[in-house]
Amino acid sequence: EAQVTQNPRYLITVTGKKLTVTCSQNMNHEYMSWYRQDPGLGLRQIYYSMNVEVTDKGDVPEGYKVSRKEKRNFPLILESPSPNQTSLYFCASSFSGQGVYEQYFGPGTRLTVT
Amino acid sequence: QKEVEQNSGPLSVPEGAIASLNCTYSDRGSQSFFWYRQYSGKSPELIMFIYSNGDKEDGRFTAQLNKASQYVSLLIRDSQPSDSATYLCAVTSRYTGANNLFFGTGTRLTVIP
Repeated sequence: EAQVTQNPRYLITVTGKKLTVTCSQNMNHEYMSWYRQDPGLGLRQIYYSMNVEVTDKGDVPEGYKVSRKEKRNFPLILESPSPNQTSLYFCASSFSGQGVYEQYFGPGTRLTVT
Repeated sequence: QKEVEQNSGPLSVPEGAIASLNCTYSDRGSQSFFWYRQYSGKSPELIMFIYSNGDKEDGRFTAQLNKASQYVSLLIRDSQPSDSATYLCAVTSRYTGANNLFFGTGTRLTVIP
């Protein structure tokens, strides 16, 4: 089954404790992206990757890191989480190029930082 | 100025009616326009996309694009209670390429049985 998976789905942590949210897709997509979703603010892009070893900042990259060592994986790293990073996080992937491509979203990770 | 603007709603329509969802965008160079549906607590799923002026129909859904007015809409005919969800409008930017999407905050639709 074609899908984007994220782990963990739910996470409660404390300020300053490093964490990683994993994202994996099995559709051989070049493009992957991380979003956070907050009430009243909608989906905002954190980082994206056009292909292996190619990453770039989105609208709200502060406090986050990413890496793209393999095509299928795109982990999101919070080196020192703070309460304002409490949010619902989505990973997405798609083919890339000049055409119009559907972005497939993972199930989401609900993060609470206390 | 927000890139993509939607009325947050809630928009309530009776079952069987037409629901009309609207979206405006600020980047005149935007190329592609998407409508996603998001049920509460779930991930967004694509309903349809449009990139040419005019109408595009897919079943009960019709997307309408007017690039001169920087306006895109989604019509849902014969609305069903299962259509109750938040509808997200997303556009691409000429500055960040065909893959990066900018989302509106969404319009919450309730279809009343």
